[in-house]
Amino acid sequence: QQPVQSPQAVILREGEDAVINCSSSKALYSVHWYRQKHGEAPVFLMILLKGGEQKGHEKISASFNEKKQQSSLYLTASQLSYSGTYFCGTANTGNQFYFGTGTSLTVIP
Amino acid sequence: DAGVTQSPTHLIKTRGQHVTLRCSPISGHKSVSWYQQVLGQGPQFIFQYYEKEERGRGNFPDRFSARQFPNYSSELNVNALLLGDSALYLCASQSPSAGVYEQYFGPGTRLTVT
Repeated sequence: QQPVQSPQAVILREGEDAVINCSSSKALYSVHWYRQKHGEAPVFLMILLKGGEQKGHEKISASFNEKKQQSSLYLTASQLSYSGTYFCGTANTGNQFYFGTGTSLTVIP
Repeated sequence: DAGVTQSPTHLIKTRGQHVTLRCSPISGHKSVSWYQQVLGQGPQFIFQYYEKEERGRGNFPDRFSARQFPNYSSELNVNALLLGDSALYLCASQSPSAGVYEQYFGPGTRLTVT
């Protein structure tokens, strides 16, 4: 039930844009996005709920296609601080939470 | 407000021993989840507790158990440690209840089993 992310890794120059995709074989009721820097704990970025409600507290945007069971995270005008591993995640009806396979993002000067 | 705290930060145990990891959620948060993160992989869900009751359990053997106390802090217990239990154990709290809410993670406990 682990969501699959693409790409696995991406390298950007500062100011470039990136899209990270998350796909599930199971129905998605919500999608969470987290960023984890090396040696640190994951940090919440955004949650998208079925029906279009979106909650987040950083200047990062995302989309959620319930029919296709997919979500995409959009990072625009990337900064060095954006580097890290990005995980999508979803909960099932049994309150089990599954993190995606992860996308390593490296922003270089 | 203090964030999620976990103790100890590092721990070294021998195969077959038992370990207890502790977590204190953000003040006012009543739900705690535990995750195992092996180096190079994403976190794997172990348990979720809300109001002292287990609300979710991941695909881990019965050697793993947890509980939540009246003050909403939590313990994760692992018996009969195996080398493969070596990992970063993360605790996350969420507000205001179980269900679909953002999770705030503690710094983790690094467990090494030799």
